[in-house]
Amino acid sequence: DAGVTQSPTHLIKTRGQQVTLRCSPKSGHDTVSWYQQALGQGPQFIFQYYEEEERQRGNFPDRFSGHQFPNYSSELNVNALLLGDSALYLCASSLMSGNQPQHFGDGTRLSIL
Amino acid sequence: QKEVEQDPGPLSVPEGAIVSLNCTYSNSAFQYFMWYRQYSRKGPELLMYTYSSGNKEDGRFTAQVDKSSKYISLFIRDSQPSDSATYLCAMGLERKFYFGSGTKLNVKP
Repeated sequence: DAGVTQSPTHLIKTRGQQVTLRCSPKSGHDTVSWYQQALGQGPQFIFQYYEEEERQRGNFPDRFSGHQFPNYSSELNVNALLLGDSALYLCASSLMSGNQPQHFGDGTRLSIL
Repeated sequence: QKEVEQDPGPLSVPEGAIVSLNCTYSNSAFQYFMWYRQYSRKGPELLMYTYSSGNKEDGRFTAQVDKSSKYISLFIRDSQPSDSATYLCAMGLERKFYFGSGTKLNVKP
């Protein structure tokens, strides 16, 4: 049973560039959420996708956008990268029906130079 | 005030000790409560999930929720060096999740 998979595992970008991160949810899950985790901090909710639409959003600027595909996989896009965007980006999947817990991938570590 | 408060530690205990990890929260509307374990360079791994006050046990782990005090705990019995990790509490409300900052635990052999 494949868990949540994310790619790439590491990425280095420079300020002002754009980046796309990818996530495949756990088999059977239909909802994908993205989180930003700074060093020594807990994950901060960015947004959640279900049925290819953004359903909930945390306190992140419009530079952060996403997409969900018909196979439930998802992308996170960040434009105009800032030094402060350096973090571990985590994808979590779950089932929308019922109050189901989220299962996480191992994340993409993004470094901005 | 943060919605979820968690002591960052680090917490260092000898092997075999009972570990108590705690979180407090401010939003009484939170519906369900989770504990995750995160090893270095890995994603959070779900340990416990509950949506009612009281205790839930799974092997060496016991999760305790006190909604009246807005306080949750995770107890680890017979702690092992492999339990050394960061433990994150999380609260859920309408499918949106709020995390504590994590407590780093070190279990010494």
